[in-house]
Amino acid sequence: DAMVIQNPRYQVTQFGKPVTLSCSQTLNHNVMYWYQQKSSQAPKLLFHYYDKDFNNEADTPDNFQSRRPNTSFCFLDIRSPGLGDTAMYLCATSRDRRGRVSDTQYFGPGTRLTVL
Amino acid sequence: GNSVTQMEGPVTLSEEAFLTINCTYTATGYPSLFWYVQYPGEGLQLLLKATKADDKGSNKGFEATYRKETTSFHLEKGSVQVSDSAVYFCALSPSGNTGKLIFGQGTTLQVKP
Repeated sequence: DAMVIQNPRYQVTQFGKPVTLSCSQTLNHNVMYWYQQKSSQAPKLLFHYYDKDFNNEADTPDNFQSRRPNTSFCFLDIRSPGLGDTAMYLCATSRDRRGRVSDTQYFGPGTRLTVL
Repeated sequence: GNSVTQMEGPVTLSEEAFLTINCTYTATGYPSLFWYVQYPGEGLQLLLKATKADDKGSNKGFEATYRKETTSFHLEKGSVQVSDSAVYFCALSPSGNTGKLIFGQGTTLQVKP
């Protein structure tokens, strides 16, 4: 089945220790998104890739970076995690149709990150 | 700006009760509207969508109608089950090539046997 996969599902890291979260997809979608969801809150968009073009949200901290080496994979790097970065991180994908970004996004199961 | 407002939860119902979760939005133009569901410890799953006024999205017994005159997209189900217990998010995608989803705050549904 075509799907969005995130690894690991659970990650514990120490304050200030860099961490990388992984997302892969078999949907062949050209747009990939990263969201942060804190407890009992709505998901908040951090950035997205339209093909290889990186689009950062204005209020995303510089501590958050992303890489997309190919269509299938996208990584979220947190350079120096703080306690406030404890959250669920969700990856999503969508497909551009005839130059218009498809507005249906398909989500992975998420990675629950805990910063101690 | 664009925003989504959902009724506050938790909503607690008995099995087979009727469900309504209210959602209203503010947006320019003609956004697309969505309901996503999140089960405990999992990611979001698309439940249903509507892309233009008066469209009705439906799936798994849930339905919602895009009402532009009242800027609403209320979620309904005639008979809920315990397995429907989850958090429900209303969301909009602004018109234009933004690729963004703007979520409401989520409504927790608890269904008791």
